[in-house]
Amino acid sequence: RKEVEQDPGPFNVPEGATVAFNCTYSNSASQSFFWYRQDCRKEPKLLMSVYSSGNEDGRFTAQLNRASQYISLLIRDSKLSDSATYLCVVTLNDYKLSFGAGTTVTVRA
Amino acid sequence: DTAVSQTPKYLVTQMGNDKSIKCEQNLGHDTMYWYKQDSKKFLKIMFSYNNKELIINETVPNRFSPKSPDKAHLNLHINSLELGDSAVYFCASSQLGAADGKLFFGSGTQLSVL
Repeated sequence: RKEVEQDPGPFNVPEGATVAFNCTYSNSASQSFFWYRQDCRKEPKLLMSVYSSGNEDGRFTAQLNRASQYISLLIRDSKLSDSATYLCVVTLNDYKLSFGAGTTVTVRA
Repeated sequence: DTAVSQTPKYLVTQMGNDKSIKCEQNLGHDTMYWYKQDSKKFLKIMFSYNNKELIINETVPNRFSPKSPDKAHLNLHINSLELGDSAVYFCASSQLGAADGKLFFGSGTQLSVL
């Protein structure tokens, strides 16, 4: 079983729409959770951390459900510039981040 | 100023050759990593170094040998390249290991083995 699993998508949405997707993780001892963003042919960049109580960063909302071992990301009022692959990331120990294969989002005009 | 820089950006080579990828970070971070991203887009950790000491060696074939001459540099040497080594290799660094999840990645090296 993969450490982090994501629906690869793609999620094709019109500008202004809301899009949401989840990832699941297998190690119940995982401590920290993050969403990264990767544009085509570019390096991944940290989008936001995911806190137990859920958190927002502008149009982005992240949620964590430890009991069911899943993390979600919701994007409100989608912009064309939100088109990217979103990587779910889980820490397995002090030095190891485990990445999901990503969920591709395409926002169309 | 590029925070994490790796060279070369593209590397095309024949099977059986030996090649190196260099990585340097100017962020003053203690921890550096090599990740491999294959055609299915999975980013898999290969190695992690903390202050020049090897911390993680993630069952990578011993044809891959990382070298950290100082904490700002982590190079990757690959011997006897195989077709399956074709991938994008990303170097990254962080200040607090994985604790705060803040990895800074280089722009990647696209390795194509023919």
